[in-house]
This record gives sequence, C-alpha cells and structure tokens, in this order.
Amino acid sequence: AQSVTQLDSQVPVFEEAPVELRCNYSSSVSVYLFWYVQYPNQGLQLLLKYLSGSTLVKGINGFEAEFNKSQTSFHLRKPSVHISDTAEYFCAVSALSGSARQLTFGSGTQLTVLP
Amino acid sequence: SQTIHQWPATLVQPVGSPLSLECTVEGTSNPNLYWYRQAAGRGLQLLFYSVGIGQISSEVPQNLSASRPQDRQFILSSKKLLLSDSGFYLCAWSQAGGIGQFFGPGTRLTVL
Repeated sequence: AQSVTQLDSQVPVFEEAPVELRCNYSSSVSVYLFWYVQYPNQGLQLLLKYLSGSTLVKGINGFEAEFNKSQTSFHLRKPSVHISDTAEYFCAVSALSGSARQLTFGSGTQLTVLP
Repeated sequence: SQTIHQWPATLVQPVGSPLSLECTVEGTSNPNLYWYRQAAGRGLQLLFYSVGIGQISSEVPQNLSASRPQDRQFILSSKKLLLSDSGFYLCAWSQAGGIGQFFGPGTRLTVL
C-alpha cells in the first residue's frame, strides 16, 4: 500500500517570495509522483508529474519539483510566487492496484500568497 | 482533445432523498473512470473506479453506489442521503493502462 504525507496543512507566504511545499511518500513498489492544484470550488489541475528520468521536473505556472528516492520525497518549489498561486496543492502517488492504476493523495497544503 | 463534464455543479438535498450525479468524458474511448469525495478541509477519498462498462470497484463501504451504463458515462447514486454525504464530488478519468488522472470540475453536494 502507498501513503502520502504533506507536512504542512497551511503555508502563508508573501508575494514574490520563494515557496516550498513538502511531500513525503511511502510505498513498497515503484511509484509515479504527481502534484495537483485546486482553486476554490474547482476540480484538480495537474501541475507536474515524475515518471522516470531526470529527478527535477518542471511544470506549469513556474513550479518545479525534485524527486529524492533516498528521502522518499517530492517537494514542490517556486522561486517567486504570485497572488494567483493561492490555492490548495495536493501531492499524489500512483501505483498499480487491482485492475487499474490508482492515485493516493496527501491531505493537501493550502498556499496563501499575501500582498 | 479530451474533456470531462460533471453535473450538476451544485446540489442541495434533504436527508433521506435520492441522489444521482453524472460524469461524462469526451474525446477518448474505454477510459478508466473514478469517483472521489473531498470533505471540507480534507484530502480526496477514492470511492469507486471502473475499467469498463458494468465493471465497478468499490473502495470504501458507504451509502453510495456507482454505475457505468455506457463507455464514457459514470454515475454516482444513493437511495437515501445522509448528512455525512455532504462534500465535493470529483470525477476523473485516465487512459486504460495510462498514468495519471484528469479531473472534472466537481459537484458541491450539501445535505440538509
């Protein structure tokens, strides 16, 4: 079974400051890793994903994440945030379970960008 | 390109009433389909998934059921709603054998 831990439920940060949202996972098999963003009352939008290859993954809206196998982490970073980045961010792992590849989500991190 | 639709967008229902939420996917065939619930301030809980017409797997025992009457249609139902059924319901799809899922806009259900 897989699990995902997002260590911070709330992250306030000032506009134009850097931000890191932390994600750790556990799994007994190889996994694929994802970050999704959810704006209020909307569905989830894929930010980026790690499948294989380079451990530094670049996504949309200037976000990037680094896969660290030894630390079982997949932290999300952005060097300079904007007010429009205020949203909830979910880390997820994907592993084959039963007849379909399923996603296991963390509990989410609310990023609030302050002016 | 593929699109996923959910309706209604919002729904307010009394306790004990029935429920039917619909999800449809366009632009792909034989997708895997998923229903998630997101309770206030919490993460996503997988409720059901389907790999084909009439094939439903339930992840948690509950007051809800799912059906897939057509290849690209996924329905979430209940005969009698409970207060605890309130939440944000998200439908998602993935390519059969694919990696990653794509989410619909969600339905906000409030049970009073």
